[in-house]
Amino acid sequence: AQSVAQPEDQVNVAEGNPLTVKCTYSVSGNPYLFWYVQYPNRGLQFLLKYITGDNLVKGSYGFEAEFNKSQTSFHLKKPSALVSDSALYFCAVRDGTGQGGKLIFGQGTELSVKP
Amino acid sequence: EAGVAQSPRYKIIEKRQSVAFWCNPISGHATLYWYQQILGQGPKLLIQFQNNGVVDDSQLPKDRFSAERLKGVDSTLKIQPAKLEDSAVYLCASSFERNSFNSPLHFGNGTRLTVT
Repeated sequence: AQSVAQPEDQVNVAEGNPLTVKCTYSVSGNPYLFWYVQYPNRGLQFLLKYITGDNLVKGSYGFEAEFNKSQTSFHLKKPSALVSDSALYFCAVRDGTGQGGKLIFGQGTELSVKP
Repeated sequence: EAGVAQSPRYKIIEKRQSVAFWCNPISGHATLYWYQQILGQGPKLLIQFQNNGVVDDSQLPKDRFSAERLKGVDSTLKIQPAKLEDSAVYLCASSFERNSFNSPLHFGNGTRLTVT
């Protein structure tokens, strides 16, 4: 069965510093990986995805993520954090084989960026 | 393009009452999803429609939850009767599923349900 884990409930960074939000996954086939962001009282917004190809994926708002197959990780990164990046971040995985396709979400990581 | 529309935004009911949520996906999106997001958890898929057919409802508590998408466009999710543990945000999402694995989901703002 596929699963995704976000080991940190909360990440705190100072504005201007780099940020990393961690995600590890487990699937039986090829992983299709996604990051979403959720602002208070809003739905989730798509940030970026990894399907195949270059292990470093660039997405919206200056975010990027690095796919590491050997460590089964897909960490979200940004070189310089902004206060406006403060939100809830979800990693999600789809099993790209068989008749799966169900998108499974992690429990979320709350990012807090302080001025 | 207009986003995924959901209503109502908030609903408070007593346990054992019934409630219905409505969703209108992005125009042209064939696939529609209902997710349940309990506070402090990630969204959990309840049901997935492809046009007006059900693709996955394995995690839908069918003794109390039902959903329909009669004309392959908008959808309704119903809970009858509600329990305290149904308190959550119910998120509707849609995707343009030319390739079902690639397409990101577009979410509505959700309906926050409180069962007292």
